[in-house]
Amino acid sequence: RKEVEQDPGPFNVPEGATVAFNCTYSNSASQSFFWYRQDCRKEPKLLMSVYSSGNEDGRFTAQLNRASQYISLLIRDSKLSDSATYLCVVLDNYGQNFVFGPGTRLSVLP
Amino acid sequence: DTAVSQTPKYLVTQMGNDKSIKCEQNLGHDTMYWYKQDSKKFLKIMFSYNNKELIINETVPNRFSPKSPDKAHLNLHINSLELGDSAVYFCASSPPYATAMNTEAFFGQGTRLTVV
Repeated sequence: RKEVEQDPGPFNVPEGATVAFNCTYSNSASQSFFWYRQDCRKEPKLLMSVYSSGNEDGRFTAQLNRASQYISLLIRDSKLSDSATYLCVVLDNYGQNFVFGPGTRLSVLP
Repeated sequence: DTAVSQTPKYLVTQMGNDKSIKCEQNLGHDTMYWYKQDSKKFLKIMFSYNNKELIINETVPNRFSPKSPDKAHLNLHINSLELGDSAVYFCASSPPYATAMNTEAFFGQGTRLTVV
């Protein structure tokens, strides 16, 4: 079983749609969780950290369920500029290794 | 100011050659990493250094040797390059987990290595 798994994608959605990404992780001792965004031929960049109580940043909402070892990202009112690959990332319990999921590609269509 | 910079951005070389990729961060971070992103776009850790000391060494061929002259630099040297080494290599850095609850990894722009 891979350490971090995500929806395989790609997701093709119209502008204005709401889209949800799912992620599961295998190491129950993991302490920190993130969503990163990677544009084509660019480096990954932090989109948002994911906190136990869930957190929101504008149109983006992240949720964490430690019991199910499940992380989600919801994007509301999607924009063309949201088109990218979304990477679920888990920091291992030693705080030494950022483990990346395979990513889910999103294309927002006009 | 570029926080994590790596050079070169592109590297095309022949099989059997030896090449190096340099990485520098000006964020004052203690931990630096090398990741490999293959043709399927999967990002996988290769090495992790904390204060110039190797702390993670995933199953990477011995032909890959990281060198950290100081905590702001982590270079990657590759001997006897093979076709399968073609990938994008990303350097990254992060603050220590224990002191930064909002730890995140900052990435360089990547080095696209093509072995022909």
